[in-house]
Amino acid sequence: DGGITQSPKYLFRKEGQNVTLSCEQNLNHDAMYWYRQDPGQGLRLIYYSQIVNDFQKGDIAEGYSVSREKKESFPLTVTSAQKNPTAFYLCATTRADTNYGYTFGSGTRLTVV
Amino acid sequence: GNSVTQMEGPVTLSEEAFLTINCTYTATGYPSLFWYVQYPGEGLQLLLKATKADDKGSNKGFEATYRKETTSFHLEKGSVQVSDSAVYFCALHDKAQGGSEKLVFGKGTKLTVNP
Repeated sequence: DGGITQSPKYLFRKEGQNVTLSCEQNLNHDAMYWYRQDPGQGLRLIYYSQIVNDFQKGDIAEGYSVSREKKESFPLTVTSAQKNPTAFYLCATTRADTNYGYTFGSGTRLTVV
Repeated sequence: GNSVTQMEGPVTLSEEAFLTINCTYTATGYPSLFWYVQYPGEGLQLLLKATKADDKGSNKGFEATYRKETTSFHLEKGSVQVSDSAVYFCALHDKAQGGSEKLVFGKGTKLTVNP
């Protein structure tokens, strides 16, 4: 079955460390997105990519970085510059026409220890 | 820019009660509108959508009608079940002049249904 795989499901980061969250899809969707979810805050867009080798900043890109070397993969790196990284991170994909709506992964919960 | 405003929760209902979750939007033109549902510890799932004015989206007993006059897309269900307990998000399709496309989400409304 086609879908989105986010890994790991839970991730613990020490202060000052960079960590990378994985998002892989086999839906053949063109666009991929990373959102951050905090309690009571809804979803906030971090980065998105509509084609391979191209990506744009979202509303809260500071302290994060991404790459899009393959259509299937859109990893997110949370750098040490992100001061409050504890959150639930969601990856989503869609076809070229976003009227189709998004398909979401099951998320990664990142905790700073 | 385009935005979505949802009623604040939490909403607590008894089983078989009628549900309404209000959603209004601000947008240029008539964007597609969506409702998503999120169960605890999971990602979001598309519940229903409407792509043009006066369309009604429906799924699993939930309905929402695209009202351009009131710029609204309220979610309704006639008889809720305990299994409907979740967080519900309203969203719209935003397309910028440069061609980038994304969904803009409301803050979510948490629904709890008691037996």
